[in-house]
Amino acid sequence: NAGVTQTPKFQVLKTGQSMTLQCAQDMNHEYMSWYRQDPGMGLRLIHYSVGAGITDQGEVPNGYNVSRSTTEDFPLRLLSAAPSQTSVYFCASSFRDRAIGAQETQYFGPGTRLLVL
Amino acid sequence: ILNVEQSPQSLHVQEGDSTNFTCSFPSSNFYALHWYRWETAKSPEALFVMTLNGDEKKKGRISATLNTKEGYSYLYIKGSQPEDSATYLCAFLFRSTLGRLYFGRGTQLTVWP
Repeated sequence: NAGVTQTPKFQVLKTGQSMTLQCAQDMNHEYMSWYRQDPGMGLRLIHYSVGAGITDQGEVPNGYNVSRSTTEDFPLRLLSAAPSQTSVYFCASSFRDRAIGAQETQYFGPGTRLLVL
Repeated sequence: ILNVEQSPQSLHVQEGDSTNFTCSFPSSNFYALHWYRWETAKSPEALFVMTLNGDEKKKGRISATLNTKEGYSYLYIKGSQPEDSATYLCAFLFRSTLGRLYFGRGTQLTVWP
């Protein structure tokens, strides 16, 4: 299993450009999330999904869109990049199954470093 | 927005010292409390998942306790080593909300040789 994969690893954008950060998992996890890492702020949740076709906003959703057409993929779209979106973005997947002691442990991808000029 | 509080924000200790951090969370509608270890330039990795009041978990020199009635968890590191240097995150899950974790801002630990 590859686990959670993210592409690209690095990206430089100009203000106003749009792009999509890709995230895929091969563990058949129901839940997927996007976080951003900023100094002194830990991890902040952008959007999350509890299954194909179901998404919801997290703590900092403005400027980002998501969709979940398959269980495996959860892309994050930046509609019009701004310097404030310079960050490291982590995608994570998990599932909940009390019967087997699965309590939504997050499996994180390697991250995408984004610089917006 | 729910607050999960971690203290201290940062900690500097000498090799061999023992240390502990605190995570505070809501005491109602509790489902689980996670601890993650996050090394610089890497991705967070799960240390412990705790679900029952009074839970104690241990992995090597690192252990954690859970008090769901008063809403706190402690993470202990015995005999800190330089390789323990990392940010330690806790995350809270509500029973009624699937798929959404509430992370604290973390405690950044630096262990000096």
